[in-house]
Amino acid sequence: EAGVVQSPRYKIIEKKQPVAFWCNPISGHNTLYWYRQNLGQGPELLIRYENEEAVDDSQLPKDRFSAERLKGVDSTLKIQPAELGDSAVYLCASSYGDEQFFGPGTRLTVL
Amino acid sequence: QKEVEQDPGPLSVPEGAIVSLNCTYSNSAFQYFMWYRQYSRKGPELLMYTYSSGNKEDGRFTAQVDKSSKYISLFIRDSQPSDSATYLCAMKNSSASKIIFGSGTRLSIRP
Repeated sequence: EAGVVQSPRYKIIEKKQPVAFWCNPISGHNTLYWYRQNLGQGPELLIRYENEEAVDDSQLPKDRFSAERLKGVDSTLKIQPAELGDSAVYLCASSYGDEQFFGPGTRLTVL
Repeated sequence: QKEVEQDPGPLSVPEGAIVSLNCTYSNSAFQYFMWYRQYSRKGPELLMYTYSSGNKEDGRFTAQVDKSSKYISLFIRDSQPSDSATYLCAMKNSSASKIIFGSGTRLSIRP
């Protein structure tokens, strides 16, 4: 069974540029999560989807971050414009029950 | 004060040693306790999942939860070089609530 797929794996951009990350969850998983993991820290939840609905986006900086999950499967996380402090690993996870399965993450560097 | 505190390490031990990893927390509402393992350039993977207080054993791994002290531990017996990774403790209030991660402990097992 394929795991959670994320792309790109690495992205380097200049500040003020837009960037987008894509996630394909495990087939059949109705819950999808986006996390941000800063260097030397644990992941922090940005947004959680139940099917197409964002049920917890309280930690998503809505002035520059947006996310969507069309048709309740794939999801995209966007940052516009990016700031230096956005450099981090962006992890996508999915679950059907209690256990969350994480993808490998997208490592973003903002110069 | 962070909700979950974890010594960042790094911790280096010889192969075959018993490893003890620990976390403390401040929120007495936490009921579910987890340990994740994260290899370099990978997403976290669930290692142990426990509810409330007590011990849980799975092969070489034992998780302990002491809710009265707000302290959780992960023990690794007969440690192997393949156990070298970052170990993240994590916890949540209820089955459906968001996970709060510790900052992770880097572990290195010397052959």
